[in-house]
Amino acid sequence: DGGITQSPKYLFRKEGQNVTLSCEQNLNHDAMYWYRQDPGQGLRLIYYSQIVNDFQKGDIAEGYSVSREKKESFPLTVTSAQKNPTAFYLCASSISAHSYEQYFGPGTRLTVT
Amino acid sequence: QKEVEQNSGPLSVPEGAIASLNCTYSDRVSQSFFWYRQYSGKSPELIMSIYSNGDKEDGRFTAQLNKASQYVSLLIRDSQPSDSATYLCAVIMGSASKIIFGSGTRLSIRP
Repeated sequence: DGGITQSPKYLFRKEGQNVTLSCEQNLNHDAMYWYRQDPGQGLRLIYYSQIVNDFQKGDIAEGYSVSREKKESFPLTVTSAQKNPTAFYLCASSISAHSYEQYFGPGTRLTVT
Repeated sequence: QKEVEQNSGPLSVPEGAIASLNCTYSDRVSQSFFWYRQYSGKSPELIMSIYSNGDKEDGRFTAQLNKASQYVSLLIRDSQPSDSATYLCAVIMGSASKIIFGSGTRLSIRP
């Protein structure tokens, strides 16, 4: 089955802890993206990667970090510097950076207390 | 002005009727437009893409694009309860070559 997987589905952390969200795809897509969605709002881009070993900041990168060591994997770390980390995090991929039809994973709902 | 605007709804439509969802965008040179469906608690699912002025039909869905007026719409014919979801409009901003999502319109199909 081809697709994008994110784990875990739900994640609970204490304030001040870093947490890493997993995103894996077996679609052979070059480009991968991380979004954040808050209730009643659209998607906001955190980071994106057009190719292995390269990534760029999106609109709300502060308090987040990523890596792209393998084509199929794009993990997101939510650091303690992120002021409001509780949100629904979505990973997406597209065939290339120039193909904007993006396909989403199932999401990770992070709650920080 | 927001870059991509949608009426948040909820839009309530009787079963079997046509649901019409609208989206306006600010960047006149935008070239690519998408509609995503998002069920509550789930991730967005791409349902339509449109790149040229006019209509594009896929089953019960029709996307309409009017670049001169800077709007894109989605029509859902013969609405079913399973169509109840939030519909997100997404636009590639031509000047910046980045995708911007609207905040979505919540659609409710009443039996």
